[in-house]
Amino acid sequence: DTAVSQTPKYLVTQMGNDKSIKCEQNLGHDTMYWYKQDSKKFLKIMFSYNNKELIINETVPNRFSPKSPDKAHLNLHINSLELGDSAVYFCASSQEGGQGRTGELFFGEGSRLTVL
Amino acid sequence: QQQVKQSPQSLIVQKGGISIINCAYENTAFDYFPWYQQFPGKGPALLIAIRPDVSEKKEGRFTISFNKSAKQFSLHIMDSQPGDSATYFCAASKGSNTGKLIFGQGTTLQVKP
Repeated sequence: DTAVSQTPKYLVTQMGNDKSIKCEQNLGHDTMYWYKQDSKKFLKIMFSYNNKELIINETVPNRFSPKSPDKAHLNLHINSLELGDSAVYFCASSQEGGQGRTGELFFGEGSRLTVL
Repeated sequence: QQQVKQSPQSLIVQKGGISIINCAYENTAFDYFPWYQQFPGKGPALLIAIRPDVSEKKEGRFTISFNKSAKQFSLHIMDSQPGDSATYFCAASKGSNTGKLIFGQGTTLQVKP
């Protein structure tokens, strides 16, 4: 049973299109995230939701809109795609506020977006 | 502004050797320092983490050394194995929000048989 699952795994699209990536976690965690990994493998947080409430919104263009219908799901919708949006997008989840391994991020396998 | 700097960018080690990856941070408010391991085509996975109240933490072949005054921490992989070949990321966060991680640039480790 996959803990954090994302769909689709690969996405190839044209500039200007709108696309969505879906994420689901079955770990019972209360916090979910979107991270972006660029072509140099650099990982940067984009958004975080805690119990369906947006708590982190890093300086991301407003073409990116996350939505959390419930605490097990976090989707990412991207409008008017640009070449620079090409990256691997990772969904992750955690149970916040703990010590040690609690608070550990569990990542999905990523969704590779290619904008042509 | 790169708040967490990681080196080296790539590392080649012989099987059985010691792999050492270093990180330096700027923000003294950081209080949680994990290392993540990423295999090709997979998401990062937590390897080991430390808080600044201890100077070292060991889990199996993996050890974090932490120097609070120098604002540096490092990952040591003892008896490196080909299966350890992956990209390693150090990271830092502050407060109770341990999931808002500031990552280093990553180190690609290759362990030769």
